Amino acid sequence: QQQVRQSPQSLTVWEGETAILNCSYEDSTFNYFPWYQQFPGEGPALLISIRSVSDKKEDGRFTIFFNKREKKLSLHITDSQPGDSATYFCAATLNNYAQGLTFGLGTRVSVFP
Amino acid sequence: EAGVTQSPRYAVLQEGQAVSFWCDPISGHDTLYWYQQPRDQGPQLLVYFRDEAVIDNSQLPSDRFSAVRPKGTNSTLKIQSAKQGDTATYLCASSRDWGNYAEQFFGPGTRLTVL
Repeated sequence: QQQVRQSPQSLTVWEGETAILNCSYEDSTFNYFPWYQQFPGEGPALLISIRSVSDKKEDGRFTIFFNKREKKLSLHITDSQPGDSATYFCAATLNNYAQGLTFGLGTRVSVFP
Repeated sequence: EAGVTQSPRYAVLQEGQAVSFWCDPISGHDTLYWYQQPRDQGPQLLVYFRDEAVIDNSQLPSDRFSAVRPKGTNSTLKIQSAKQGDTATYLCASSRDWGNYAEQFFGPGTRLTVL
């Protein structure tokens, strides 16, 4: 059973629109949720993260909304740019010191000018 | 500061052959991870080390896969007898252990194709 689920599988938006990516998880002990951005041929790179004590985290055009009760998160990309076209992964861990991450299957975002 | 480096970047082999992947983490990072990323999927943790010690290798197919980090710096992941199902990108990541919520930095990966 997939511990971290993402939807949609792929998403197309026009430049300037807001892209909304969804994530849900099973393990209620997860307390740290990083989102990674991956371009073809590259490794994932940390985009933004949130701890379970917060319900919102903002960094420029990227915002995470977190609902602990429902075990759901969403990543909002406002004013989408063609350079945002990439695959986005939601990940989760119980972060008592450095531990491995559990990743979702990813959402492929395409932004057209 | 140099990032995580991996080699080779690509490998193509026949079923039954052996292959090794090498990773050089970011200097000062004492935690090192190996992930397997099948095509169009997210990375899946195989094993991770703190210094030279294996912390969790429960997801490593132990009959054919092995990983070492003898001096607590560089690491090697080896597949003894590759199968077509091993076709994937193998990612190495590193992080600082001290402090919670340690960010993991990923290398570019080694793309393996098993024919």
